[in-house]
Amino acid sequence: GDSVTQMEGPVTLSEEAFLTINCTYTATGYPSLFWYVQYPGEGLQLLLKATKADDKGSNKGFEATYRKETTSFHLEKGSVQVSDSAVYFCALSGNEKLTFGTGTRLTIIP
Amino acid sequence: SAVISQKPSRDICQRGTSLTIQCQVDSQVTMMFWYRQQPGQSLTLIATANQGSEATYESGFVIDKFPISRPNLTFSTLTVSNMSPEDSSIYLCSVEPGGSGANVLTFGAGSRLTVL
Repeated sequence: GDSVTQMEGPVTLSEEAFLTINCTYTATGYPSLFWYVQYPGEGLQLLLKATKADDKGSNKGFEATYRKETTSFHLEKGSVQVSDSAVYFCALSGNEKLTFGTGTRLTIIP
Repeated sequence: SAVISQKPSRDICQRGTSLTIQCQVDSQVTMMFWYRQQPGQSLTLIATANQGSEATYESGFVIDKFPISRPNLTFSTLTVSNMSPEDSSIYLCSVEPGGSGANVLTFGAGSRLTVL
């Protein structure tokens, strides 16, 4: 069945550091890929998505590229801020359902 | 996008009791979803609730343990019945707002249940 493997956390970075959170997937067919973010005390919300191979999703300075050849959708940001501290979930859609990774807790220190 | 209110936000429950979680959406939606997030694990879909019909449960989840109501297009409840410590989890309500695209979900903040 479908599965998502996410970089384990927690991840702690200094402000303005470069961020990469790895995500790889296993799926049949051609799923859409998503990154969701959960800020403290809030519900999950969509951060970005990509619907086909080589698509790049971007939002709030975050980017992720749908790599079919490596079955990956790594999340990157060039310069993180304290306000980026949150839990990040990689997900894929297949068979009309979303399959989530386990989440990566990111903490940015000033 | 839709705004979801979930209650309670957290609770501590005794083994053998039942607890009902409420999910209120500020707009009408066709489908509402209930997820569970056990400690250190990913989100798992429990069931999909459509207004006017019985909920559709995923493999490993049954109606007797997790009865769901969906009385109208803005409200749903999930009951966790006869709780045991293994039911300690975060339970999340989510919806797919119209026009947001397939599988683009909005989530409530979750209900964190601890069963003693």
